[in-house]
Amino acid sequence: GEDVEQSLFLSVREGDSSVINCTYTDSSSTYLYWYKQEPGAGLQLLTYIFSNMDMKQDQRLTVLLNKKDKHLSLRIADTQTGDSAIYFCAEKNDKIIFGKGTRLHILP
Amino acid sequence: GAVVSQHPSWVICKSGTSVKIECRSLDFQATTMFWYRQFPKQSLMLMATSNEGSKATYEQGVEKDKFLINHASLTLSTLTVTSAHPEDSSFYICSARRGGETQYFGPGTRLLVL
Repeated sequence: GEDVEQSLFLSVREGDSSVINCTYTDSSSTYLYWYKQEPGAGLQLLTYIFSNMDMKQDQRLTVLLNKKDKHLSLRIADTQTGDSAIYFCAEKNDKIIFGKGTRLHILP
Repeated sequence: GAVVSQHPSWVICKSGTSVKIECRSLDFQATTMFWYRQFPKQSLMLMATSNEGSKATYEQGVEKDKFLINHASLTLSTLTVTSAHPEDSSFYICSARRGGETQYFGPGTRLLVL
């Protein structure tokens, strides 16, 4: 069945780059997403990538997709305290399937 | 643009009562709305998909009679948790799609059933 896996926790020093990894199982996914959720809030779409793309860059965010390995990553350059949140990876075929989320903790 | 609101943002109710949660797309018409449920430290689980003017499609394991969904207009969908019990306590999040691929999420409604 469809499944999305990601590590649950990541700790990064302020100013460093954060890399959040995700694997998925549905090879027919058309879109892959990264969402951000701040405490007690809903989801904010950060970025998405079409399944026929390898990379997408948007300011401090870089998404890499390895379709062969079904691996997706999100790199946040120059991580700031405001980046502290839970980041959800999600894949979409006919519906969106979310991972459990990676909690990003920023060290001073 | 593409703002989705939910009301209420939080609600506390007694066991056995029913609770209605509203989801509105404020600046666009949503052809499809989705309802998710999120338990603490868990992912979002899709409960149902609703298209305006038609019956909602529920995911496996979600009780239709327990979670009533009404998508009466292109800007409003409601989720009613009927005869709520403590195990229904959760964070309910809706999202709306306006015809493209992107879903826009509401801020969520936290339900606590005593």
